[in-house]
Amino acid sequence: GENVEQHPSTLSVQEGDSAVIKCTYSDSASNYFPWYKQELGKGPQLIIDIRSNVGEKKDQRIAVTLNKTAKHFSLHITETQPEDSAVYFCAATRSNNDMRFGAGTRLTVKP
Amino acid sequence: DGGITQSPKYLFRKEGQNVTLSCEQNLNHDAMYWYRQDPGQGLRLIYYSQIVNDFQKGDIAEGYSVSREKKESFPLTVTSAQKNPTAFYLCASSWGVWEKLFFGSGTQLSVL
Repeated sequence: GENVEQHPSTLSVQEGDSAVIKCTYSDSASNYFPWYKQELGKGPQLIIDIRSNVGEKKDQRIAVTLNKTAKHFSLHITETQPEDSAVYFCAATRSNNDMRFGAGTRLTVKP
Repeated sequence: DGGITQSPKYLFRKEGQNVTLSCEQNLNHDAMYWYRQDPGQGLRLIYYSQIVNDFQKGDIAEGYSVSREKKESFPLTVTSAQKNPTAFYLCASSWGVWEKLFFGSGTQLSVL
């Protein structure tokens, strides 16, 4: 089955800097890769997703890139703000197969 | 407002007791899911349901049971057979299965 590894487990950046979180997956047939943001005491919220037929997707300050050959995808947050502080999860799935989540990255943005 | 509601927010279980966690959605989603989250770990799938009256086991279904009698509702029962139930439980729903999951705000279950 699919296995998703996520790095780093913790990340601390200064406000205004960029943050990058990386995930690798094992199943080459995986074709959908979402990213979720979880604030303390709340459920995860979908922030961006990408399909395997696209190499990059951007939404304001966040972007996701996908390298199918290397089987890895990354979340990029530019101009970080304190409200970006949260735990971020990547996930991977293929049609009719359950979604596998990474272990999460705790991002802290220092003002 | 459309959304997915989990209750209660906090729940305590005595040894040997079964407890039921509620999950209700008014998003008209077909698929619903239950995940377990332990500190410092990713989400692990307990059960999921694609349609009413049908559900499938996930990786860690032992000690849990579910029902899907209505499209809007997917309750999870943590049975006494689950020896380590302390965790944060998340319910989710989606239009199509395994895409764009919407999560509830979770239930923290602890053992007395």
